[in-house]
Amino acid sequence: EPEVTQTPSHQVTQMGQEVILRCVPISNHLYFYWYRQILGQKVEFLVSFYNNEISEKSEIFDDQFSVERPDGSNFTLKIRSTKLEDSAMYFCASTPRGGRNSGANVLTFGAGSRLTVL
Amino acid sequence: DAKTTQPPSMDCAEGRAANLPCNHSTISGNEYVYWYRQIHSQGPQYIIHGLKNNETNEMASLIITEDRKSSTLILPHATLRDTAVYYCIVRVLEYGNKLVFGAGTILRVKS
Repeated sequence: EPEVTQTPSHQVTQMGQEVILRCVPISNHLYFYWYRQILGQKVEFLVSFYNNEISEKSEIFDDQFSVERPDGSNFTLKIRSTKLEDSAMYFCASTPRGGRNSGANVLTFGAGSRLTVL
Repeated sequence: DAKTTQPPSMDCAEGRAANLPCNHSTISGNEYVYWYRQIHSQGPQYIIHGLKNNETNEMASLIITEDRKSSTLILPHATLRDTAVYYCIVRVLEYGNKLVFGAGTILRVKS
């Protein structure tokens, strides 16, 4: 079964450093998402991306965050200057494009990247 | 997207059916009911979705009441590996539409 692949699985960084989290969505998917989950809290939407631009972003997704699809396969989340409160699991997800009644609007999530900011 | 209400936790004996309820009394006519689960901080996993008819797949069954104000996810023979947080999410089937997760129900399957 096709998978969304995320790397690294765990990254430890110092406060103020830049971090890039990488995702390889499922190959025929066209919508991409980032979510985060702080330990013990809800899964929170960060941003959605389609046709090389941001479709929607949450209040969490401020100027220190950016997303990019640098080539035909990768989808990245960059955190410019990490803070302690950025420590969380970050999940990438993707979904295909299909007809309204096709039932294909299912987000498939990756296993996540755990970010620890010290 | 309509708000959902789920019990914070439930227990189920291994091998028995797990019935997870969800209330969505303000659901709109074009909103679907989706169920996802998250096993121990892994990525959320899609289970099933439906509009108004009952649905069944290899993982679970979804029963939606006739007025669509509530639904029940049924895991017919729960195993220890079904211990997870289960999320009931109501949303319009529109491509690019995000999922909004609530707190979900922690299901503990016990031997």
